[in-house]
Amino acid sequence: DTAVSQTPKYLVTQMGNDKSIKCEQNLGHDTMYWYKQDSKKFLKIMFSYNNKELIINETVPNRFSPKSPDKAHLNLHINSLELGDSAVYFCASSPVGLETDTQYFGPGTRLTVL
Amino acid sequence: GQNIDQPTEMTATEGAIVQINCTYQTSGFNGLFWYQQHAGEAPTFLSYNVLDGLEEKGRFSSFLSRSKGYSYLLLKELQMKDSASYLCAVRDGDYKLSFGAGTTVTVRA
Repeated sequence: DTAVSQTPKYLVTQMGNDKSIKCEQNLGHDTMYWYKQDSKKFLKIMFSYNNKELIINETVPNRFSPKSPDKAHLNLHINSLELGDSAVYFCASSPVGLETDTQYFGPGTRLTVL
Repeated sequence: GQNIDQPTEMTATEGAIVQINCTYQTSGFNGLFWYQQHAGEAPTFLSYNVLDGLEEKGRFSSFLSRSKGYSYLLLKELQMKDSASYLCAVRDGDYKLSFGAGTTVTVRA
């Protein structure tokens, strides 16, 4: 029944490591997103993909690389993790073409870099 | 960049009404959303306004004035479970969604 799922839910790792977060949606949506929510609860968009193509790429270090193998999946790979990468990362999806274009969020992945 | 402002915190009593204001300045406008986020959980959609006026959905209503760059979310008959953060988000001319920092609402018995 899960609409937007992310794995893992929690990720604790050392500085300098490389890690990936996976996201899948079973809603049949065309567009998927990655957001970062920092300790001040500010939710900021990082990337957006529409039908496997990158359409939004905010000012994000190139250590962050999204990959969309198909329109139901959008994974986020992070190289050389830094302390400032600690945050909650949310995946979301939305149906393009509908009036409201409401975004549905996954449960989030809490990343802690030590 | 986009500029979206909302109060940081609000406190109200169970059964009361609370109004959360949001002002915005964006490059173009394609709709305003309100999301609710409980601590440690994902944001969930509450309401959407693209035309001026009031949209009512049960105990929650949202108002938009595009000329003033202003919206509010009205929560009526507050319940303890309404304690959460409420995020105002605006979709700009490029259809990119930008979020405000959120308003933490605490409902007291």
